[in-house]
Amino acid sequence: KAGVTQTPRYLIKTRGQQVTLSCSPISGHRSVSWYQQTPGQGLQFLFEYFSETQRNKGNFPGRFSGRQFSNSRSEMNVSTLELGDSALYLCASLPGSTRNTEAFFGQGTRLTVV
Amino acid sequence: SQQGEEDPQALSIQEGENATMNCSYKTSINNLQWYRQNSGRGLVHLILIRSNEREKHSGRLRVTLDTSKKSSSLLITASRAADTASYFCATDLRSGNTPLVFGKGTRLSVIA
Repeated sequence: KAGVTQTPRYLIKTRGQQVTLSCSPISGHRSVSWYQQTPGQGLQFLFEYFSETQRNKGNFPGRFSGRQFSNSRSEMNVSTLELGDSALYLCASLPGSTRNTEAFFGQGTRLTVV
Repeated sequence: SQQGEEDPQALSIQEGENATMNCSYKTSINNLQWYRQNSGRGLVHLILIRSNEREKHSGRLRVTLDTSKKSSSLLITASRAADTASYFCATDLRSGNTPLVFGKGTRLSVIA
């Protein structure tokens, strides 16, 4: 079974630009969660999508958005990039509910904003 | 704010020694999970312990859970240099379909 695929692995963007990151979950998994990881803050929850609907949302500004397609692949978008958005963005794939199941993570996308 | 807080933030031990990491959390949980992350990569699931369990083993890993103290510990026995990584606890909250909430992690260095 193929794992969770995140693309691209690395990105360098300029302040003010926007960026789109992609996550393909494990086949059959319907839930995709996104996390931002920075050295000082650990993993911060961004949002979760389940069956093309946003099910949960973290405390991030509206510049951060996402969506999920019918094949469960998910994208997240960050508009008007700021230096503080530099981070490792991780997506996690789950079958559906978080109840007593493990999350499978992709390798992440390292975003650098200059 | 973080639900789980790992302690210590960093730990350095010699190969062959045991490593113990602790996690404290704030609200009622359905289960608690431990993950490992090698430098700059994705997280890998290690073990899940349910709220009605007190101890669980997996190979060299031993996890305990004390729901009265809202705390968990991860013990790695006979550590190896390859165990060098960051370890995170994640809580699955009891209320609704909430996402996993992670702590800030413990950075473990095992010196050969």
